Amino acid sequence: DQQVKQNSPSLSVQEGRISILNCDYTNSMFDYFLWYKKYPAEGPTFLISISSIKDKNEDGRFTVFLNKSAKHLSLHIVPSQPGDSAVYFCAARETGGGADGLTFGKGTHLIIQP
Amino acid sequence: DAGVTQSPTHLIKTRGQQVTLRCSPISGHKSVSWYQQVLGQGPQFIFQYYEKEERGRGNFPDRFSARQFPNYSSELNVNALLLGDSALYLCASRVGRPYSGANVLTFGAGSRLTVL
Repeated sequence: DQQVKQNSPSLSVQEGRISILNCDYTNSMFDYFLWYKKYPAEGPTFLISISSIKDKNEDGRFTVFLNKSAKHLSLHIVPSQPGDSAVYFCAARETGGGADGLTFGKGTHLIIQP
Repeated sequence: DAGVTQSPTHLIKTRGQQVTLRCSPISGHKSVSWYQQVLGQGPQFIFQYYEKEERGRGNFPDRFSARQFPNYSSELNVNALLLGDSALYLCASRVGRPYSGANVLTFGAGSRLTVL
C-alpha cells in the first residue's frame, strides 16, 4: 500500500522550459514533504521541503506547491537545465513522535533535452 | 567537510550469510538513519538512531539490526541473507533530534549488496 505515489516513471523536458514533477499521497498525518534528487552512484540530495501548513515554498529555480485537499504536491523547476537530469523522489514525514522516518515515492526520472 | 561515508561500497554475499554495513555521519550529526532501496523503488526506512538509542524501525524483519556507537557512527547488520535483500543500503544523518523541523537528511552514496 503506497502512501506516496509518483505516477510518472519518467519525464522529458526541453532545456529552458519548465519541468513539473507530481506526487500524490494518502496519509493525512504527513506534516512535512520533501523532494530529493538522485544521480547514479550517488546518494539522494535534498532539494526543497514544505510544511503541511504552507501551500508554496520557493528556493531559486525550485518551487514546491502543496494542495492538501487534493493530497497532491508538485515540484516546478524553471528554467530546466541539463544538470537537472536525475531521478527525483518525493518524500513525506508522518507526525506523531518516535522515529521520523521518511516515506518515499518510487521516483520520476527527469530527462532534460538540449 | 566530509559528507556521510559508507563502507563497503559494493559487496557480494550468498544466501544465508550475514553482512555488516558501516556508516560515519557528518561531524556533529547525532542522528543516523538507514534506508533500503531496491531497484526501481524509492528508499524504504529501516532504522533511526539518535544519541545511541533506537528511535524507531520500519517494517523489516528481525534479521535486520543496527547500533550506534559513542562517536555516532553506525552499523547495520543483516542475518540469514535472502535474495530479496539485494539492494542499495543508504545511510543518512541529520544534525537535530527527531521531529525538530523537517527531517532533512544528508545521505551517503550507499552500499550495494548483491545476494546470490
